[in-house]
Amino acid sequence: GAVVSQHPSRVICKSGTSVKIECRSLDFQATTMFWYRQFPKQSLMLMATSNEGSKATYEQGVEKDKFLINHASLTLSTLTVTSAHPEDSSFYICSAPTGQAWGTDTQYFGPGTRLTVL
Amino acid sequence: DAKTTQPNSMESNEEEPVHLPCNHSTISGTDYIHWYRQLPSQGPEYVIHGLTSNVNNRMASLAIAEDRKSSTLILHRATLRDAAVYYCILRDVYSNQGGKLIFGQGTELSVKP
Repeated sequence: GAVVSQHPSRVICKSGTSVKIECRSLDFQATTMFWYRQFPKQSLMLMATSNEGSKATYEQGVEKDKFLINHASLTLSTLTVTSAHPEDSSFYICSAPTGQAWGTDTQYFGPGTRLTVL
Repeated sequence: DAKTTQPNSMESNEEEPVHLPCNHSTISGTDYIHWYRQLPSQGPEYVIHGLTSNVNNRMASLAIAEDRKSSTLILHRATLRDAAVYYCILRDVYSNQGGKLIFGQGTELSVKP
């Protein structure tokens, strides 16, 4: 099946620094990708929809200036956490749909990136 | 997309069948029923989906009630590797939500040897 990769798999950074997370679709093109965040023992929370060649669409309550998303090609979306703070520590996961009709499409998820902000 | 209700947790014995229920009493006629699962410290993975008829694939079976207000994911022989959180999600084919998935709390399945 289709594969989605993420890099890095885990990152530790100091408070106030910025961290970039990459999400790649390895064997298919994705005009749309999704970014989720997951805190321990909680479900996935959708943060934003990444659209190739246009601005991302953010979910209510997600700060667009803090979580910068760039979808520069059909196989790559990046999420940059700017001025990270300890409360941004979380598991970040991206996904890409197969491109079928919305009701029937399936999504492939990356393995996730564990961010720890000290 | 319509809401689903799942038990918070379930236990199973290895090599026995597991039936994971999902209630979706407000399902609409154009909602597909999708199941994903998330193994510990990994991203979710697609399991199965269906509309009205029961569905089978190499991972699981999906049994859909005749009135479609509930469904059951069936793992025919649970293994230790099936221990995960299982999410039941409704997807409207005419949704204006752009294909995004909204996750509920899911069912945490533990498998005992």
